[in-house]
Amino acid sequence: GIQVEQSPPDLILQEGANSTLRCNFSDSVNNLQWFHQNPWGQLINLFYIPSGTKQNGRLSATTVATERYSLLYISSSQTTDSGVYFCRGGSEKLVFGKGTKLTVNP
Amino acid sequence: DTEVTQTPKHLVMGMTNKKSLKCEQHMGHRAMYWYKQKAKKPPELMFVYSYEKLSINESVPSRFSPECPNSSLLNLHLHALQPEDSALYLCASSQAGAGTGELFFGEGSRLTVL
Repeated sequence: GIQVEQSPPDLILQEGANSTLRCNFSDSVNNLQWFHQNPWGQLINLFYIPSGTKQNGRLSATTVATERYSLLYISSSQTTDSGVYFCRGGSEKLVFGKGTKLTVNP
Repeated sequence: DTEVTQTPKHLVMGMTNKKSLKCEQHMGHRAMYWYKQKAKKPPELMFVYSYEKLSINESVPSRFSPECPNSSLLNLHLHALQPEDSALYLCASSQAGAGTGELFFGEGSRLTVL
């Protein structure tokens, strides 16, 4: 089945810093979604982005389906951005990556 | 506020108990999902219902029994669980068919098996 590699696995930032998270897929992608899991366990939708670029406030995402990767950009990070970021994607069967644990320190 | 509602938020049960997790969505979605998530791991797919029929069962032990009474409701019946079944159980729904499309998750039910 499709494999998903997320990087980096862990990221520690100071408040105000920018970051880029990445998902690479081993096979074709026509569905892709980014989530933020908060400390209470809820998975919050960030973007549904099978291709192209989307922006929502300080967050933006880009998916290049032909090259089988997606990027999530976080600008001017805040402590509330802490948590685990997951991508989920694929074609027929969609799978989650292992996540990037982000810690934003004040 | 999430449009996928899960109850209870927390559940503690013994290995001989029978309990149920419940999930409801009000978005008119036609596919509903159960995921299991252990600490520091991604969610793992358990079951998918599409148009109220079980379409994906990821070889889950029979002590977990899903039920979809209608297109808005999804239950997970639990019986004779083991301590290693302790986890966060997440319900999700999507407009599209089984396994694809944008997922919307509930807040989860945190299960502890003693």
